[in-house]
Amino acid sequence: KAGVTQTPRYLIKTRGQQVTLSCSPISGHRSVSWYQQTPGQGLQFLFEYFSETQRNKGNFPGRFSGRQFSNSRSEMNVSTLELGDSALYLCASSSQGRSEAFFGQGTRLTVV
Amino acid sequence: AQSVTQLDSQVPVFEEAPVELRCNYSSSVSVYLFWYVQYPNQGLQLLLKYLSGSTLVESINGFEAEFNKSQTSFHLRKPSVHISDTAEYFCAVSGDQGNLIFGKGTKLSVKP
Repeated sequence: KAGVTQTPRYLIKTRGQQVTLSCSPISGHRSVSWYQQTPGQGLQFLFEYFSETQRNKGNFPGRFSGRQFSNSRSEMNVSTLELGDSALYLCASSSQGRSEAFFGQGTRLTVV
Repeated sequence: AQSVTQLDSQVPVFEEAPVELRCNYSSSVSVYLFWYVQYPNQGLQLLLKYLSGSTLVESINGFEAEFNKSQTSFHLRKPSVHISDTAEYFCAVSGDQGNLIFGKGTKLSVKP
């Protein structure tokens, strides 16, 4: 069974630009969650999608958004990038909400 | 609010020595607990989980953790570490909304 796939692995963007990150969950998993990892704040929950609906949301500004498609693939978008958005963005999939989550390799976003 | 505290940010240890990485949590009634490991420039890998049942859980590579409800702890132990165990370890609790709440991480450094 293939694992969670995130693309791209690395991105460099300029302040003010927007970016879209992609995540393909494990086959059969309907829940996809996104996390931001930074040295200062650690791992922080962004949002969770389940069957194309945002089910939960963390404490991030509206510049951070996401969506999920009918095949459970998910995208995350960050608009008007700031230097502080530089981070490792991790996607996790699970079969249902509170069971174990399986993570992708992450997308390393650098904002310059 | 639920939270996870990892008491040690760094743990240096010699190869073949035992190690304990400490984790305390605060949570409501039902608790799902996890340990994840992260190698450099990688995503998170699930090491072991406590969902219910036996309070002692084991991983395939020799790690174990014990759920202690009275002390609200979920410490990770290994009787004999290898160089390859060098990584950052994260303790997590499943939040009320189904998302994972992580500790700040413990960097395990195994020296020859």
